[in-house]
This record gives sequence, structure tokens and C-alpha cells, in this order.
Amino acid sequence: NAGVTQTPKFQVLKTGQSMTLQCAQDMNHEYMSWYRQDPGMGLRLIHYSVGAGITDQGEVPNGYNVSRSTTEDFPLRLLSAAPSQTSVYFCASRHSGEQYFGPGTRLTVT
Amino acid sequence: RKEVEQDPGPFNVPEGATVAFNCTYSNSASQSFFWYRQDCRKEPKLLMSVYSSGNEDGRFTAQLNRASQYISLLIRDSKLSDSATYLCVALTGGFKTIFGAGTRLFVKA
Repeated sequence: NAGVTQTPKFQVLKTGQSMTLQCAQDMNHEYMSWYRQDPGMGLRLIHYSVGAGITDQGEVPNGYNVSRSTTEDFPLRLLSAAPSQTSVYFCASRHSGEQYFGPGTRLTVT
Repeated sequence: RKEVEQDPGPFNVPEGATVAFNCTYSNSASQSFFWYRQDCRKEPKLLMSVYSSGNEDGRFTAQLNRASQYISLLIRDSKLSDSATYLCVALTGGFKTIFGAGTRLFVKA
């Protein structure tokens, strides 16, 4: 049981580039979410999904897209990277209130 | 105003001390609450859920006051290994999870 996995662990992008952060879980959880964590700001919800085919926006969705074609996978796409998107990104799945987080992706946009 | 607010600390305490963290939430519709622990450069992990009647897990006690919209975490007999950031979390509507910015704790020998 791998839990929640994220790739890549580290990424450097140039302004304007696009990329996809991968997230997968093997616990058959319906609910998955993406957060970004910045110093002094805590974790902020970007997008979430309550099941395959269903996604919704969180607190800070601008500049990000998500899709949920399967229960297992919940990729996060950065459409045109900006320096303000430099952050640590965490994916999580949830069961009965408890969230299980992946190890995070550290993204730097120059 | 943030929906979930915590004192950022840091709290610097000696081993064996008792330390308390407080958290307030602004959305009265929030129905479930949790404390998470996050070690440096690691992902958050659930420490404990918070129930209206208060709950205890070993050296940790969590309390919820719905009237004051206030949550607390008490750590007794602090250990060096308790050094971490503690995140207060509110769940609203079954879907919306809001994290506080976290309170940093340093326990020193």
C-alpha cells in the first residue's frame, strides 16, 4: 500500500511554461485535493474532487486546472507558470475526515 | 480575516513542560475539526480529531468550544520529538477543508 504518491519531488520552471504535477492514491478514496503551502500562509486549497468525473475549485484555483478521470489519479496542471506559483504542492486523499498527504512537490518558477 | 487562525509562535519550551495551542474559526457552519502535525519539509499527518466533549490521546488533549468557535490542543510532558508545526483544521460542508497557518513548537533539552 503506497498511500498517496506525487511526482516529481522537485521542479524548476521558467515563466510561461506549463507542466502537470502527478498524484495517485491506492486507497480507493473518493475525495482528493490539491494544496499549496507558502511560508506564513499555511495550506491553501487549490482544487478538490469528490469522485471520478467531479471537480471543484478551492480557495486559490486561478492558474491551475485539474481533472479526475479515475478514482486513483488527480493531476494538477499549471497552464502558464508564474513566479507567484513558486510553492510546495501537496496532494491529499481523504477518508472519514482524515486526510492522507503525499510527500509534496517543491516547485520553483523563475 | 483568515477562516482559521492560530498563534504562529514559535513556542519554545523545556522538556517536560505543558504547552497549549489555541485556534479560532470564523465559519459557524464548520462541523469537524482536527489537529495535524507537520515536521520540517514533510507532509502534514493527522494527530487527532477534535470532539465536542473533548478527547485525549496519551499526552495530547483536544477541546472544542462551539459557542466561542475555539479549538485547543494541550501537550503534557513535552518530548524533544514533539518539536514540529501543529496545524488546526476545520471541515465545512463535508468538502471544504481549511487549514490554519500553523503553530511552531520547539522543545529543548
